[in-house]
Amino acid sequence: DGGITQSPKYLFRKEGQNVTLSCEQNLNHDAMYWYRQDPGQGLRLIYYSQIVNDFQKGDIAEGYSVSREKKESFPLTVTSAQKNPTAFYLCASTAGGSYNEQFFGPGTRLTVL
Amino acid sequence: AQSVSQHNHHVILSEAASLELGCNYSYGGTVNLFWYVQYPGQHLQLLLKYFSGDPLVKGIKGFEAEFIKSKFSFNLRKPSVQWSDTAEYFCAVNALRAAGNKLTFGGGTRVLVKP
Repeated sequence: DGGITQSPKYLFRKEGQNVTLSCEQNLNHDAMYWYRQDPGQGLRLIYYSQIVNDFQKGDIAEGYSVSREKKESFPLTVTSAQKNPTAFYLCASTAGGSYNEQFFGPGTRLTVL
Repeated sequence: AQSVSQHNHHVILSEAASLELGCNYSYGGTVNLFWYVQYPGQHLQLLLKYFSGDPLVKGIKGFEAEFIKSKFSFNLRKPSVQWSDTAEYFCAVNALRAAGNKLTFGGGTRVLVKP
């Protein structure tokens, strides 16, 4: 089955700790994205990558970092500099180009205590 | 920068009622438009999309949306809802001149269908 997997589903961390969220896709998609979902605010773009070894900041990149060493993987690190990290994080991918929909993973709910 | 507005944050209705969710965007250029749905406990999935052509597009599960360019709107409709339509609905816009095929999402509308 082709799709996007995110792990873990739930994640708890203490304030001040960095945490890395996993995102893997086997759709052979070129582009991958990280969004943050908060109630009433929809999805906001954190980072995106159109090709391996290249990535761009989205609208709310502060306090986050990413890497794209492999086509199928796009991990997101939530650093201690992120002031309000508790949220639902969604990863997405697309084949690229303007006429392709984005496919989403199941999400990771991060709670910082 | 483009933005997307969804007028209703919460909608409650009974089965068989008609549903219309508003979506307006602010961007003067050519856009692709999407409606995504997030059922409880499930992935965000595509409901329908508009790229070009007939401004009335039909999606899955009996949903349709109409693109009105002059109003910068892309409202979602369903003539008769079912309890299983309970979900959160997101409108999204992709400006074709924007790099990276980025989507801008509205704030979402939570729809509760009472049996």
